[in-house]
Amino acid sequence: AQSVTQLGSHVSVSEGALVLLRCNYSSSVPPYLFWYVQYPNQGLQLLLKYTSAATLVKGINGFEAEFKKSETSFHLTKPSAHMSDAAEYFCAVSLMIYNQGGKLIFGQGTELSVKP
Amino acid sequence: KAGVTQTPRYLIKTRGQQVTLSCSPISGHRSVSWYQQTPGQGLQFLFEYFSETQRNKGNFPGRFSGRQFSNSRSEMNVSTLELGDSALYLCASSPGGLAGVPNEQFFGPGTRLTVL
Repeated sequence: AQSVTQLGSHVSVSEGALVLLRCNYSSSVPPYLFWYVQYPNQGLQLLLKYTSAATLVKGINGFEAEFKKSETSFHLTKPSAHMSDAAEYFCAVSLMIYNQGGKLIFGQGTELSVKP
Repeated sequence: KAGVTQTPRYLIKTRGQQVTLSCSPISGHRSVSWYQQTPGQGLQFLFEYFSETQRNKGNFPGRFSGRQFSNSRSEMNVSTLELGDSALYLCASSPGGLAGVPNEQFFGPGTRLTVL
């Protein structure tokens, strides 16, 4: 079965420090991978996506992620954290299987706190 | 383009009642997916509709149902509400297209359902 694991339900960094949010997936077929961000009382906003092209993917707000097939990982990074990055982040997988394309399987989420 | 809209934003119901939630996708998008978000279970896929047909379904009881209209607007219905149905219900739209190809999903702000 396909699944997504996010290591660390809470991550705290100082402003200006590196942000690293971890995501590992399990999939029997090549996955499409996504990172979403959710601010309080809002829906999810797409940060970036991997769709089998370049393994290093750049997204909005300075975030990027690298797809590593050998490690089944898709970790999210940002070189320098900003106070406005404080939010909950979700990694998700979708599969190129008939009728499964509209289904996202989400990890449990990582809440990012940024200290001044 | 206007984003995904969901109505109402907040709902309070009592056990045993039924509820209908509405989702208007981005103009031109033909696929609508629904998700339930709770603190304990996280984000879980309910179902996806494409061109008025349910294309995929998650592991929820039959009390959860949905439909899609010819203008791609979608509704989901929950009958005989239980306390555990309290959640944020999110809908997401995407262009759709080939059933097996994952598309980027754009999320609405959600409907917060509280069951008393």
